[in-house]
Amino acid sequence: KQEVTQIPAALSVPEGENLVLNCSFTDSAIYNLQWFRQDPGKGLTSLLLIQSSQREQTSGRLNASLDKSSGRSTLYIAASQPGDSATYLCAVKGGSYIPTFGRGTSLIVHP
Amino acid sequence: ETGVTQTPRHLVMGMTNKKSLKCEQHLGHNAMYWYKQSAKKPLELMFVYNFKEQTENNSVPSRFSPECPNSSHLFLHLHTLQPEDSALYLCASSQEYTGREETQYFGPGTRLLVL
Repeated sequence: KQEVTQIPAALSVPEGENLVLNCSFTDSAIYNLQWFRQDPGKGLTSLLLIQSSQREQTSGRLNASLDKSSGRSTLYIAASQPGDSATYLCAVKGGSYIPTFGRGTSLIVHP
Repeated sequence: ETGVTQTPRHLVMGMTNKKSLKCEQHLGHNAMYWYKQSAKKPLELMFVYNFKEQTENNSVPSRFSPECPNSSHLFLHLHTLQPEDSALYLCASSQEYTGREETQYFGPGTRLLVL
């Protein structure tokens, strides 16, 4: 059974710092890995989707990498801003097509 | 706004009640999803409908009954729920369910409390 772990569970940083959020998964037989953002009281917003054949994806200040063999992904946030404050979720999808989510990293960026 | 709306946003019900959650998408998508997000467990996919047909049921108890009358509307009928069913129920939609790669758009969720 696939298990997804996200570290750290919570993070509080001053504005302007570069951040790394970690996601690890136990079964490397995946189709893709996706990073989401969730604001309090709201649904999820897709940030980046990495196919199993890809190594990384970039969107603006966000960069996500995937090392399938080691079962790891990182989400890099450059020059963090208070508006980046949210919970970041990682999800992997394998042969069953049912995504497995991590518990998320709760991020606070203070001015 | 993501184009996916959910009503009600908050719901309190007793264990003997029957209620329904509603989801509507205005994106012209053909696939719709129900997820459960509880405090004690990671986000879980419950059901998937593709072109109005149920394609995934992730071992969900029968006290949760989904209904998809058309590609724009999705319901989750609730009856004889348990307190552990208290959670945030999220609806999502995507262009089509291929199982591998589809960007999903989420609604804001319904916060359910079962007493």
